[in-house]
Amino acid sequence: NAGVMQNPRHLVRRRGQEARLRCSPMKGHSHVYWYRQLPEEGLKFMVYLQKENIIDESGMPKERFSAEFPKEGPSILRIQQVVRGDSAAYFCASSPSGHPSNFGPGTRLTVT
Amino acid sequence: GQQVMQIPQYQHVQEGEDFTTYCNSSTTLSNIQWYKQRPGGHPVFLIQLVKSGEVKKQKRLTFQFGEAKKNSSLHITATQTTDVGTYFCAGLANAGGTSYGKLTFGQGTILTVHP
Repeated sequence: NAGVMQNPRHLVRRRGQEARLRCSPMKGHSHVYWYRQLPEEGLKFMVYLQKENIIDESGMPKERFSAEFPKEGPSILRIQQVVRGDSAAYFCASSPSGHPSNFGPGTRLTVT
Repeated sequence: GQQVMQIPQYQHVQEGEDFTTYCNSSTTLSNIQWYKQRPGGHPVFLIQLVKSGEVKKQKRLTFQFGEAKKNSSLHITATQTTDVGTYFCAGLANAGGTSYGKLTFGQGTILTVHP
């Protein structure tokens, strides 16, 4: 039973480019959460999605960031026009209900 | 908004010594979870506490949830080098009568174990 999958594991982007981070939840899980972790800090909630619906995006920056979880395919976290402050580890978690506990390996984004 | 404070930020111990990390929430929690993260790794779920005053044990690890459901602790007895990593608590608060996965993480305690 594969765990939460994330890709890419490492992503390097220049300032102004777009970053697309993908998350495939565990089989049977329809709830996806995205968290961001800055170096030596805890994880900060960004967004909670169910299939085709954004339930809570209160942790998402108002501009440049968007997330989706389509009916088919992985959840996507999209960051437009990246800046150096976007450099962080982005973790996705999934669950069959409203309580996440399984985190993916993360995508480490570096903006140069 | 809800805040979760965790102390200490760093802890260095000799192998065989005990270790404790403490977590305090600004609001009453529905439940609290504990995670371990190795350097370069991802958070790995350890346990979830739900009941007021709950105590759970996993081998050398003991987890407690306070009576007021606002604080928690993780205690490791006789640390080993395999215990190194960052330990996070994460609180889940009720949101409008329903709770869902908006975990609020503490800053974590980085544990170093010297052989």
